[in-house]
Amino acid sequence: KNQVEQSPQSLIILEGKNCTLQCNYTVSPFSNLRWYKQDTGRGPVSLTIMTFSENTKSNGRYTATLDADTKQSSLHITASQLSDSASYICVVGVRTGANNLFFGTGTRLTVIP
Amino acid sequence: GAVVSQHPSRVICKSGTSVKIECRSLDFQATTMFWYRQFPKQSLMLMATSNEGSKATYEQGVEKDKFLINHASLTLSTLTVTSAHPEDSSFYICSARALGAGGNHPYEQYFGPGTRLTVT
Repeated sequence: KNQVEQSPQSLIILEGKNCTLQCNYTVSPFSNLRWYKQDTGRGPVSLTIMTFSENTKSNGRYTATLDADTKQSSLHITASQLSDSASYICVVGVRTGANNLFFGTGTRLTVIP
Repeated sequence: GAVVSQHPSRVICKSGTSVKIECRSLDFQATTMFWYRQFPKQSLMLMATSNEGSKATYEQGVEKDKFLINHASLTLSTLTVTSAHPEDSSFYICSARALGAGGNHPYEQYFGPGTRLTVT
């Protein structure tokens, strides 16, 4: 069964600290893995997208890693800011079909001063 | 670049009425657009896939006669919720797959900001 699981479900950190979010998937045939940031009441915004051959990708203070062998990904946020408070969604795409994106339920990050 | 807009951002309607939501790709052409629904504290759920000039493909459990989708051009798709009921209240999000959006990842989908529908 194609599934994407994220942990933790929610996380509270102090401003300026680093954090790492986890994503495990059992999606096949794997095509790509994306991380999105979704502010409350807004649509998701893409942070990174990686294919099978890529094992790390950065976007400013966000760094995503991908281990296609263990089917795990992480999103590391460096020097967190209050504006980082949002839900972070891991999405895995398959190579078949028009869409076939599988969404994780997200990690709700709250950055406090 | 690669901006997707939705209109309206919020709508409140009475039970039994119909509501139309527009999804536009502002600076690129999208052969495929997707409509999602998101309930509070849940992830996005795909409702239907819309290809320009052809009928939409609906996910299992989504009533095509209730959620009418029209993708008349490469930059516009509309979702009409017909005879809306309170249980249709949700956050509706569209996304678009870019056609030849230069420099962007070929698998990239761009999401709109969402439309909050409340049916009273």
